[in-house]
Amino acid sequence: AAGVIQSPRHLIKEKRETATLKCYPIPRHDTVYWYQQGPGQDPQFLISFYEKMQSDKGSIPDRFSAQQFSDYHSELNMSSLELGDSALYFCASSWTSGGGRDEQFFGPGTRLTVL
Amino acid sequence: AQSVTQPDIHITVSEGASLELRCNYSYGATPYLFWYVQSPGQGLQLLLKYFSGDTLVQGIKGFEAEFKRSQSSFNLRKPSVHWSDAAEYFCAVGGTGANNLFFGTGTRLTVIP
Repeated sequence: AAGVIQSPRHLIKEKRETATLKCYPIPRHDTVYWYQQGPGQDPQFLISFYEKMQSDKGSIPDRFSAQQFSDYHSELNMSSLELGDSALYFCASSWTSGGGRDEQFFGPGTRLTVL
Repeated sequence: AQSVTQPDIHITVSEGASLELRCNYSYGATPYLFWYVQSPGQGLQLLLKYFSGDTLVQGIKGFEAEFKRSQSSFNLRKPSVHWSDAAEYFCAVGGTGANNLFFGTGTRLTVIP
């Protein structure tokens, strides 16, 4: 079965650089979520999109932005990177229109290291 | 406010012993509850979920969890632990629709021979 695809899997950036993380949801899934997991931490919700519109916003810094495109893939754009942005970034997708029982399927994550 | 508490940061059990990982939640509406497992440097794998119905749910790898509304708990159990179960376990709560998940801080499981 198809799973959530995230690219790249690993990314190394310098401070103050920008980064773009991509997420390709499971086919037919209409909702995408982004989570950030710092070292030794639990995943923290950043932002979500339903049918290409932002549906919820969590602890996402103003330096970050995201969008969902017409093909339902999503991109997380991160600017002015800081050392503290080093983390594992997860994307998850679900089929919200399927009736509310939206189980989130997680991708393998993108490990971002900021030097 | 929504929150999930996993009181045990680290648990060590012997291989073959039984296991129970605790999870308490706070949620303003009908909760959907999940347990995820994460191996080092890996993604999150869903072990089991509770939406409604039977309060004892079965999951993969021999895990089960029981939803107790009166105690706001959703504890994870396994009768006999295998060395390959060593990982980080996260309890999460969510709601209906496109709602994000709230995770607990995780419980690290170590399995000794």
